[in-house]
Amino acid sequence: KAGVTQTPRYLIKTRGQQVTLSCSPISGHRSVSWYQQTPGQGLQFLFEYFSETQRNKGNFPGRFSGRQFSNSRSEMNVSTLELGDSALYLCASNEGQGDEAFFGQGTRLTVV
Amino acid sequence: GQNIDQPTEMTATEGAIVQINCTYQTSGFNGLFWYQQHAGEAPTFLSYNVLDGLEEKGRFSSFLSRSKGYSYLLLKELQMKDSASYLCAVREAGGSYIPTFGRGTSLIVHP
Repeated sequence: KAGVTQTPRYLIKTRGQQVTLSCSPISGHRSVSWYQQTPGQGLQFLFEYFSETQRNKGNFPGRFSGRQFSNSRSEMNVSTLELGDSALYLCASNEGQGDEAFFGQGTRLTVV
Repeated sequence: GQNIDQPTEMTATEGAIVQINCTYQTSGFNGLFWYQQHAGEAPTFLSYNVLDGLEEKGRFSSFLSRSKGYSYLLLKELQMKDSASYLCAVREAGGSYIPTFGRGTSLIVHP
């Protein structure tokens, strides 16, 4: 069974631009969660999608958004990028309200 | 809200035993997770505790005391490959079941 796949692995953007990151969950998993990981703040929850609906949301500004498609693949978008958005963005999937989350390798975003 | 505290960094010797502590404060508890994350890689699941006591899985064990808001991850027979960050995550009861992560403990194993 293939794991969680995130693309791209690395991305460099300039301030003010927008970016879209993609996540393909493990086959059969309907829940996809997104996290931002930085050295200072650790792993912080962005949002969770289940069956194409946002089910939970963390404390991030509206510049951060996401969606989920009927095949459970998910995208997150960050608009009007700021230097502070530089981070590792991780996607995790599980079957539903399952206990164990499976993480992807992440997308390393650098904003210059 | 939740407050999760774990040491920032620990060092240990190959072959030794190390205990990584995690304390938490939450209004309601619904499970505690430990994840391992090697540098540049995805976090991987190690253990899940929801009841008090010790859960053993090979060289790794995880302990939980709900009344004390305390957990630890015990790593035995340390190997160099155990050098990684160890993340404690707590799930709150009622409402979202999404766990909140601590900032992680960076473990360095030296020969």
